[in-house]
Amino acid sequence: GQQLNQSPQSMFIQEGEDVSMNCTSSSIFNTWLWYKQDPGEGPVLLIALYKAGELTSNGRLTAQFGITRKDSFLNISASIPSDVGIYFCAGSLISSGSARQLTFGSGTQLTVLP
Amino acid sequence: DAGVIQSPRHEVTEMGQEVTLRCKPISGHNSLFWYRQTMMRGLELLIYFNNNVPIDDSGMPEDRFSAKMPNASFSTLKIQPSEPRDSAVYFCASSTRDRPYTFGSGTRLTVV
Repeated sequence: GQQLNQSPQSMFIQEGEDVSMNCTSSSIFNTWLWYKQDPGEGPVLLIALYKAGELTSNGRLTAQFGITRKDSFLNISASIPSDVGIYFCAGSLISSGSARQLTFGSGTQLTVLP
Repeated sequence: DAGVIQSPRHEVTEMGQEVTLRCKPISGHNSLFWYRQTMMRGLELLIYFNNNVPIDDSGMPEDRFSAKMPNASFSTLKIQPSEPRDSAVYFCASSTRDRPYTFGSGTRLTVV
């Protein structure tokens, strides 16, 4: 089955630093998504990518859909304390059942030190 | 948009008891997914429905787990009998073909 390798597993950074995390897949996806999960809450969608090569920004967040369709990265610029949380990548193909079934990475735990 | 609504937020039960988790998807979303999250295994897809019909339940751990979606606005995940190893956070998510998943806030289940 499809597998996503997300790295790094955890990061400790100083407030104000930039952050980069990425995901690679053993197979091609036609959608890449990035979610953030705060403690005690469900994952919340940050950025959705639908085309190979697409580069999309959402405030201080930037994500790219790799041209091979097997990878994606997420950058966070000028980190702040509220960026703390777990970041998940997810990829999908349109299934024959027409439901957009997602495969999730294992997550990157981000800690921002004051 | 009220989002995906799950209840209860927390459930503590004794081993052997029946547990029912509930989910109300976003209106108009025709796909519904049940996930389980643990530290060891991360987010695991248990089952998903499309237009109220179960499509793939291969992630359901065993016969103790069952899920239903009697209509477009309600789904349940039932565990009977519950065991300590079922302790986890259970998430419901809904989507349409053209809209990414929206997750609920989850139900934290503790089986003692």
